[in-house]
Amino acid sequence: EAQVTQNPRYLITVTGKKLTVTCSQNMNHEYMSWYRQDPGLGLRQIYYSMNVEVTDKGDVPEGYKVSRKEKRNFPLILESPSPNQTSLYFCASSRGWGEVFNEQFFGPGTRLTVL
Amino acid sequence: DQQVKQNSPSLSVQEGRISILNCDYTNSMFDYFLWYKKYPAEGPTFLISISSIKDKNEDGRFTVFLNKSAKHLSLHIVPSQPGDSAVYFCAAREHSGTYKYIFGTGTRLKVLA
Repeated sequence: EAQVTQNPRYLITVTGKKLTVTCSQNMNHEYMSWYRQDPGLGLRQIYYSMNVEVTDKGDVPEGYKVSRKEKRNFPLILESPSPNQTSLYFCASSRGWGEVFNEQFFGPGTRLTVL
Repeated sequence: DQQVKQNSPSLSVQEGRISILNCDYTNSMFDYFLWYKKYPAEGPTFLISISSIKDKNEDGRFTVFLNKSAKHLSLHIVPSQPGDSAVYFCAAREHSGTYKYIFGTGTRLKVLA
């Protein structure tokens, strides 16, 4: 089944404790992205990657890191989480960026709470 | 500064009638616009998109209209069904060397049976 998987789905952690949220897609997609969803703010893009070893900042990259060492994986790293990073996180991927490749497939989400 | 705005947080429509969801944008660098639907506890799913060089795109019950001069797009759902009840996000792609996506804040649609 074609899908985007995220782990963990739920995480409660404490301020300053480094964490990684994994994202993997099995569709051989070129483009991958991370978003956070907050009440009243919609979805905001954190980082995106157009190909292996190519990553770019979205609108809200502060406090996050990403890497794209393999095409299928795009982990989100919080080196020193803070309470304002409490949010619902979505990973997404798309085949590319042409007219017919715009559709992004989203993972199920990771709910992160930073105490 | 919100570049993509969905000014109606919620909308209720009777089953069988038309649902119209609106979206305004400010950035002239946007070259594609997309609509996603989101159910609770799930990730968003793609509905329909439109290139900035077109003014209409239709897919079954869903039609997206783009008015570039007004920097406005709308999603029409006809006829509306109870299963359409969800949060709808408008998104725009910024093409400035790379491809970045800006989403609106969402409109919660409730279709009443």
